[in-house]
Amino acid sequence: GQQLNQSPQSMFIQEGEDVSMNCTSSSIFNTWLWYKQDPGEGPVLLIALYKAGELTSNGRLTAQFGITRKDSFLNISASIPSDVGIYFCAGLYSGGYQKVTFGTGTKLQVIP
Amino acid sequence: SAVISQKPSRDICQRGTSLTIQCQVDSQVTMMFWYRQQPGQSLTLIATANQGSEATYESGFVIDKFPISRPNLTFSTLTVSNMSPEDSSIYLCSVTQGLTYGYTFGSGTRLTVV
Repeated sequence: GQQLNQSPQSMFIQEGEDVSMNCTSSSIFNTWLWYKQDPGEGPVLLIALYKAGELTSNGRLTAQFGITRKDSFLNISASIPSDVGIYFCAGLYSGGYQKVTFGTGTKLQVIP
Repeated sequence: SAVISQKPSRDICQRGTSLTIQCQVDSQVTMMFWYRQQPGQSLTLIATANQGSEATYESGFVIDKFPISRPNLTFSTLTVSNMSPEDSSIYLCSVTQGLTYGYTFGSGTRLTVV
């Protein structure tokens, strides 16, 4: 099935630094979702975006729904060790059949 | 959001056998889905579990290999049949109560086939 291209694939950052990751698609979506997955757990929803151009924050996390509807961005400010994990973007086109397509994931490592 | 209980959390199975995974939700949900996550990979949708009718399978997944049941609005099972080592993955149940509630995931079933 289709997957969204997510970058970077992995990153190592120092504690306190800001992080940016993005997700692009050849198809348009009308909902973008950002998840975090810890080892041995299922993905946990961080932010949901429902409108092109929308900018939404959840604590230190900020995500944007690209104006073309084909991309989305996630920023994490002032990273902390518990930010470690894999971040997945996901797109949904609810045209009668709701199906979520997941990105390839960004593995984040935070160096204390 | 809904709370999902998925069982078993992990299992080691012999090739050629079958394993049934259960997904129990603490509230009625509109839609239930089953995903597979192969080691180090992203999530791939296997099928949408439909209440009272046959599941809707994605390309590359068939009912004979992954039979799914959904007898009511809070429960579903996924069976991995005639397993081979290539079936070793994490299998995840996901539900939604409507678009504005997002999609919630269970903690997954880590399956190893030997």
